[in-house]
This record gives sequence, structure tokens and C-alpha cells, in this order.
Amino acid sequence: AQKVTQAQTEISVVEKEDVTLDCVYETRDTTYYLFWYKQPPSGELVFLIRRNSFDEQNEISGRYSWNFQKSTSSFNFTITASQVVDSAVYFCALTSNAGKSTFGDGTTLTVKP
Amino acid sequence: GAVVSQHPSWVICKSGTSVKIECRSLDFQATTMFWYRQFPKQSLMLMATSNEGSKATYEQGVEKDKFLINHASLTLSTLTVTSAHPEDSSFYICSPARSGPTEAFFGQGTRLTVV
Repeated sequence: AQKVTQAQTEISVVEKEDVTLDCVYETRDTTYYLFWYKQPPSGELVFLIRRNSFDEQNEISGRYSWNFQKSTSSFNFTITASQVVDSAVYFCALTSNAGKSTFGDGTTLTVKP
Repeated sequence: GAVVSQHPSWVICKSGTSVKIECRSLDFQATTMFWYRQFPKQSLMLMATSNEGSKATYEQGVEKDKFLINHASLTLSTLTVTSAHPEDSSFYICSPARSGPTEAFFGQGTRLTVV
């Protein structure tokens, strides 16, 4: 069975602070995909990043960066110099090779001006 | 990348009526379709899995007679909420998948409000 744990239910930071959202996963599959999504109040899932299980290379995209460590089954997401527009619910998800996704409970990020 | 089209994006219906949600895979043939549901302030939970031309498989606690899924073609799947009740108000999102090594693609979601 797959499981995704986002231990942080809510995080509140002040604008320009850096913030890291944690994600820990469990799976018996050797091939899988990890995702981060942003869900603004409108409800749509906004794709942020996808990583497959064979690619542990960390990635930076603008103010966003991701740290994937298979040894600890973690896929953490860092926002540098946070902005008010970053306020949203962020979901980490694990997708099996068959396409079935398991989502974490989400982390609500509030960035205050 | 793949494009998924889900309609409508939102719908308000009266209790007792039925609502149909469409999900189209525009860039690839979706051999499998996953339907998720998200209640307010909760995570997305898998409702059912359907393979083209076969009956859907429902997760525990999901009424198959209430949530009718049709996956008649490789590019279109529909979810019909029958005799909707206020407790069915939720955000429904589809995710088509193709055979072989796959990735996850999601529709834009449908916010259903039953009054």
C-alpha cells in the first residue's frame, strides 16, 4: 500500500522568509512518481514538479526547490523568499506505475505581508 | 505535455437531481481513468478506477449505484452523480492514465454544490 505523510498541517510565515514543506512517502514499488501540487482557493490543482523514482537529482525552479532523498523516502519542497501569492494548500502525491495517485493530507501555507 | 479537459468546472444542482461530469484526454489514449473526490479542507481520495470498456472498480465506502462511471472510449470518461444530496457536495477530479510507464495527469476539477 502507498502512503504519503505531510506532517505539517499549517505553516505561517512572513513574506520573504524561506519555508520548507515536508513530505515522506511509503511504497513497495520500485518505479513510482512523486509530485507537488499547489491548490489555490479556486480549487484547481496546479502542477509544480514531477520526479520519477530513478532521478534523485534535486531541482531548482526560480524560488522553488525540491530535495528528493530515496534513503529517507522524502521529497521536500522549499520556497525561497516567500510571497503572499504563495499562500495556498500544497499537496505531495505519490503515483504508481499504473497511474494511481495517493495524496498527502496537504499543508496550508499562509504568507503574511 | 498531456492535456486533460474536465467539464463543467463547477455546477450547482438541486437535491435529487443527477449531474454528469466529463473528462477528456486530449493528447493520449487513456486506458485507465481514476476519479478522485475532495471534501472541503481535506485531501483528495480515490473514488474509483475504470478501464476502457470494463466496469469500474470502486473504493471502499463509495456507492457504485450512486456514482456511475462510464469509460466507453479511450479519450472520454464520465462520472454521473445520481440523486445528488448535499453531502455529495465536493470537488471531483479525474486523472487519465495510459498503459506502460506512466505519469499522472489531472483534470481541472469540478466543484459540485448540491442545494
